[in-house]
Amino acid sequence: DQQVKQNSPSLSVQEGRISILNCDYTNSMFDYFLWYKKYPAEGPTFLISISSIKDKNEDGRFTVFLNKSAKHLSLHIVPSQPGDSAVYFCAASPLGSGGYNKLIFGAGTRLAVHP
Amino acid sequence: NAGVTQTPKFQVLKTGQSMTLQCAQDMNHNSMYWYRQDPGMGLRLIYYSASEGTTDKGEVPNGYNVSRLNKREFSLRLESAAPSQTSVYFCASRGDSGRSSYEQYFGPGTRLTVT
Repeated sequence: DQQVKQNSPSLSVQEGRISILNCDYTNSMFDYFLWYKKYPAEGPTFLISISSIKDKNEDGRFTVFLNKSAKHLSLHIVPSQPGDSAVYFCAASPLGSGGYNKLIFGAGTRLAVHP
Repeated sequence: NAGVTQTPKFQVLKTGQSMTLQCAQDMNHNSMYWYRQDPGMGLRLIYYSASEGTTDKGEVPNGYNVSRLNKREFSLRLESAAPSQTSVYFCASRGDSGRSSYEQYFGPGTRLTVT
């Protein structure tokens, strides 16, 4: 049973517009959430994160929103650029993972930003 | 800094063959991880190591063994490869403080095909 779900396998957005990537989780016992970006033939790279005690974190064009009551996380990219075209993974760190900070990943959403 | 390196980049095995995937990091991180990525499944944790000399099973450990050779190196071994182990394998490491206490740094991956 997937604890972290990204229900949209793909998203297509026009350059300059907002991209919104969504992530739902089924377990309330996560204390930290992260977004990773992955280009083909490369490993995932960290993009932005948020603690479960916050509801928003911003870093340049990227903002992550956390709605704990809905168990929902979203990543906003404004404005979207062609270089943002990649697969985006949502990940969550379970409380009490023994300090090992294991991450549970969603299946990913492929974002395509077209001119 | 090379970050996290993995060898080989590509490998084709026949069913029943064995091989070891190598991973090394130069960031002085204590924790290291092995994941596999399959289409529609995101990244799933195979094994992890919180420190030199310790290893623990992740979500999908069957068919694999690991060795934490020293602080830098964490290898993944397939003793008798099966077609179900066809996947892309990623190694990651994690620091112990600050933002990096949750963030994992990934290698470029090894694409393994078992025929």
